[in-house]
Amino acid sequence: TQLLEQSPQFLSIQEGENLTVYCNSSSVFSSLQWYRQEPGEGPVLLVTVVTGGEVKKLKRLTFQFGDARKDSSLHITAAQPGDTGLYLCAGIGGTSYGKLTFGQGTILTVHP
Amino acid sequence: DSGVTQTPKHLITATGQRVTLRCSPRSGDLSVYWYQQSLDQGLQFLIQYYNGEERAKGNILERFSAQQFPDLHSELNLSSLELGDSALYFCASSAMTGMGTEAFFGQGTRLTVV
Repeated sequence: TQLLEQSPQFLSIQEGENLTVYCNSSSVFSSLQWYRQEPGEGPVLLVTVVTGGEVKKLKRLTFQFGDARKDSSLHITAAQPGDTGLYLCAGIGGTSYGKLTFGQGTILTVHP
Repeated sequence: DSGVTQTPKHLITATGQRVTLRCSPRSGDLSVYWYQQSLDQGLQFLIQYYNGEERAKGNILERFSAQQFPDLHSELNLSSLELGDSALYFCASSAMTGMGTEAFFGQGTRLTVV
């Protein structure tokens, strides 16, 4: 069974601070995705990383896929209250037919 | 709006009952996935259908079943409901299976078993 561990589980910071969320596994994934979920809504895809060592930037968000394709990180620079939400990493295995294995999630609260 | 429609949005039912959750995927998407989200378990994969056929199965209880119809909509049937089945149930759809596939999630059905 492929498992993804996310840390920290909760993060409460002030506007303007930087933060990093980690997603770790003992298994290799073909690709890894990061989603953001707001209350009352379904998860929305932020990014997909496919190649080991890959770094992708989305405005103030930087996503990195580990060289061994077992871990990933999400770094947010100068966090804003609008970044508040649940951040989920999800892995796709080699023969998983697209099904996602999710981490437990990180609840981020950015205070004005 | 993801384009994935789930009904109903909220459902309250008693233990022992049976309910059906419905999902209409995005136009043209052949894959439908069902996930269960609870506070203690997070998002758990239940089952996947691709063009009407079951493609992958996760930790789905025997009391739960699903199907995908010729028009590609899907239903998740939950029977002999228990208090522990209370959760958010999400449907997602994608255009294809495999690596890097983007899944679009519906708004979910919040099931409360009392």
